[in-house]
Amino acid sequence: QKEVEQNSGPLSVPEGAIASLNCTYSDRGSQSFFWYRQYSGKSPELIMSIYSNGDKEDGRFTAQLNKASQYVSLLIRDSQPSDSATYLCAVNWGFQKLVFGTGTRLLVSP
Amino acid sequence: DTEVTQTPKHLVMGMTNKKSLKCEQHMGHRAMYWYKQKAKKPPELMFVYSYEKLSINESVPSRFSPECPNSSLLNLHLHALQPEDSALYLCASSQGQGAGQPQHFGDGTRLSIL
Repeated sequence: QKEVEQNSGPLSVPEGAIASLNCTYSDRGSQSFFWYRQYSGKSPELIMSIYSNGDKEDGRFTAQLNKASQYVSLLIRDSQPSDSATYLCAVNWGFQKLVFGTGTRLLVSP
Repeated sequence: DTEVTQTPKHLVMGMTNKKSLKCEQHMGHRAMYWYKQKAKKPPELMFVYSYEKLSINESVPSRFSPECPNSSLLNLHLHALQPEDSALYLCASSQGQGAGQPQHFGDGTRLSIL
């Protein structure tokens, strides 16, 4: 059974802090991992992709992957109120499917 | 603005109506997807087209009928829908057919069934 697990939150952090979002997945064969940001009433927006163990940085975002632990995370440095959104973890399932976690709602307070 | 364009943005229809949702991308992507998203839930895959051929149908009821007229266009034909079909319908595209390729979403069509 395909499972991608996320804490639904809300995760509340003050402006300027680091927000840490976590995701676990059940399929050891998964090779591709994505983080999407979704504002209320809007569509998902791709913010990070990661394929290899370790860290990948893009601006204020860092994605971390540990395939042995079946764990992927997203760090947001210097969090801003505009980062308040739901963050969806997505993992490939087989050749063509993406399976999404239920999302973590992030609230950044000024 | 996204590079995947969906029309209409909102649609209200009765259970006996026939309507179509449209999706267009000009990024040269060869895989296109339809997802359904209910409030506070993640997107759920409905259909995958790869090189204009239907490659995945996630056991979607026949009242939803996809069509891919060419590599840039994807339609979803709707007929005899039920109130529980009210949702945000998302189109996405990716460069290739593997799930390793990032998928880019359109803004979606918010569908309400009366």
